[in-house]
Amino acid sequence: AQSVTQLDSQVPVFEEAPVELRCNYSSSVSVYLFWYVQYPNQGLQLLLKYLSGSTLVKGINGFEAEFNKSQTSFHLRKPSVHISDTAEYFCAVTTTGTASKLTFGTGTRLQVTL
Amino acid sequence: KAGVTQTPRYLIKTRGQQVTLSCSPISGHRSVSWYQQTPGQGLQFLFEYFSETQRNKGNFPGRFSGRQFSNSRSEMNVSTLELGDSALYLCASRRDGGGNSYEQYFGPGTRLTVT
Repeated sequence: AQSVTQLDSQVPVFEEAPVELRCNYSSSVSVYLFWYVQYPNQGLQLLLKYLSGSTLVKGINGFEAEFNKSQTSFHLRKPSVHISDTAEYFCAVTTTGTASKLTFGTGTRLQVTL
Repeated sequence: KAGVTQTPRYLIKTRGQQVTLSCSPISGHRSVSWYQQTPGQGLQFLFEYFSETQRNKGNFPGRFSGRQFSNSRSEMNVSTLELGDSALYLCASRRDGGGNSYEQYFGPGTRLTVT
């Protein structure tokens, strides 16, 4: 079985500052990794995904993430955040055998202030 | 292309009642999964349907069930509602089959409140 750990429950940051949201996973087989964002009273929106190939993946809204197999990490970064990035961010993992069963982390609340 | 739609968006039920939630996947997507989101347990996988058959199941009691129709639309049912069933229920669809079909696209959710 796989698991995901998001080390920070809340990350406060000033507008235009860089941010990194941390995600570590555990799995005995190859994984597919995702970051989703959830705005208040909404569903989950896919930010980016790692399926294979280049370990640096770029997503929507200026976000990117780097897959590090040796450290079993998939941290999310943005060089300059905006107020509108305030939301809950979820890291998720699945494997080939359980492709429709996403295992989510507990989420990180990104709070951007002026 | 229209996204995943869920109805109703909000629902209030009483303990002991049953409820049915509906999900229409993105056109061409054949896999539909359901998740429960609560403040205490986070996001948990309920089950997945593909070609009208349940293909994967999470660790939920039998009171939670679902089905999928030939047009890929799906419904989930919760019988004998308990207070702890209050949650946001999210539906996600996936193309399933060929190419990058591992990503799931989520609907806006149905907020169920059990009183």
